[in-house]
Amino acid sequence: SQQGEEDPQALSIQEGENATMNCSYKTSINNLQWYRQNSGRGLVHLILIRSNEREKHSGRLRVTLDTSKKSSSLLITASRAADTASYFCATDEAGRRALTFGSGTRLQVQP
Amino acid sequence: NAGVTQTPKFQVLKTGQSMTLQCAQDMNHNSMYWYRQDPGMGLRLIYYSASEGTTDKGEVPNGYNVSRLNKREFSLRLESAAPSQTSVYFCASGEGQQIYGYTFGSGTRLTVV
Repeated sequence: SQQGEEDPQALSIQEGENATMNCSYKTSINNLQWYRQNSGRGLVHLILIRSNEREKHSGRLRVTLDTSKKSSSLLITASRAADTASYFCATDEAGRRALTFGSGTRLQVQP
Repeated sequence: NAGVTQTPKFQVLKTGQSMTLQCAQDMNHNSMYWYRQDPGMGLRLIYYSASEGTTDKGEVPNGYNVSRLNKREFSLRLESAAPSQTSVYFCASGEGQQIYGYTFGSGTRLTVV
């Protein structure tokens, strides 16, 4: 079963705009991670936020985590055409030994 | 470049045929994973190996077997391929407890006809 569910499923924006993707999950987690997948390629790890953290930044990425609502958001600021990809959240659930991935958000950044 | 290498990149099988997907990592990671990716389904865990010499079933293990040959290599075998196994298969490696994230291979696109 899918733990993380991303919203929206697809997002199209203009270059320079911000992109926000959301992830909801169902059980207790140790951490939540975001990955990017370019078309036809493997997933690339972007950022990890631990369950005791509320916000984390990495370059143009900002991730928030609300454990009370079991949700996370990924914000990409000043988007570029090269940000066009699918983005997945993945949860490290307590008691499980592998990450559980959501179904992803397809982001299209128009030049 | 250091990372995870998967072979082959593409494969077409007939129903009932068998094949082995190969995966090797040079990250010195203890844990390795096999996922399949289907449209709209995200990634689903097939099998994983927490350390050399151990393997465990994931969410969708039926129809697959795995071998952790050594610390570097983790293979996935389809004994009798079925059309439902048409998918993109990804191998990944990571340190235990998922602390630092996974490193993924570039995938094997498998079609079963």
